[in-house]
Amino acid sequence: AQSVTQPDIHITVSEGASLELRCNYSYGATPYLFWYVQSPGQGLQLLLKYFSGDTLVQGIKGFEAEFKRSQSSFNLRKPSVHWSDAAEYFCAVGARTGGYNKLIFGAGTRLAVHP
Amino acid sequence: EPEVTQTPSHQVTQMGQEVILRCVPISNHLYFYWYRQILGQKVEFLVSFYNNEISEKSEIFDDQFSVERPDGSNFTLKIRSTKLEDSAMYFCASSDEGRRADTQYFGPGTRLTVL
Repeated sequence: AQSVTQPDIHITVSEGASLELRCNYSYGATPYLFWYVQSPGQGLQLLLKYFSGDTLVQGIKGFEAEFKRSQSSFNLRKPSVHWSDAAEYFCAVGARTGGYNKLIFGAGTRLAVHP
Repeated sequence: EPEVTQTPSHQVTQMGQEVILRCVPISNHLYFYWYRQILGQKVEFLVSFYNNEISEKSEIFDDQFSVERPDGSNFTLKIRSTKLEDSAMYFCASSDEGRRADTQYFGPGTRLTVL
C-alpha cells in the first residue's frame, strides 16, 4: 500500500539548534518525494522535492533532505533553526494511479521553536 | 510569483446546505486538485481534474461532491448537502503537467465549518 509515515507528531527545539524531521514512505515504484510547510493560517508551501539524481536535495529557507532508498526514508534537516521555522511540516509522495497523479501525505510534524 | 488563490477563507454553513468553494489556479496550469484536512488529521486527496473532466477521485469524493471549471480561471468544489463530518480545511492545488514529479502548488485553503 502507498503510505507516508512521519513518526514525530510534535518536536520542540531551541533556536539555533539543528533539526531533523523524519519521514518514511511505502511506494512500489520509484518514489517522488516532497516536503511542504504549513505556517499558521497559510497554505502548503513546497520546501523541496526529490525525483532523481543526487540523493541530497537543497530547498528553500536553508532546508535540505536526504533520500535513502535502503531505509525508505526522506528526512528533512536544517543546521540552525530560526524562530520563524515554527510551523507544521508535511512529507508527501507523488503517486500515480489510473494515469494521473496525486500526493499522499504523512500526518505532519508540528515544530515549536524555543527562544 | 504566481499563486493559487481560494475564496472564501472561512465558510460557516448549516448541515444540509450547499456550499461552493472557489479556487483560481495558476494561469498556465492544466491539472487541478482538491484536498482536505480534517482538524488534527492528514491532508487527504479528494479529486483531480484535467481537460474539463475528473481524472481521479478518492472514496471520500462521493455523489455529494462535484467539481467544475466554469470559465477559464475558476475551479470550484461543490458540496450539495453538507454533513457535520465535512467540516475541514479544503485546499486547492494546481500543476502544469500531470507527472508524479511535478510540483503541486497549493492555495491557502478554505476552512469549512458545518453546524
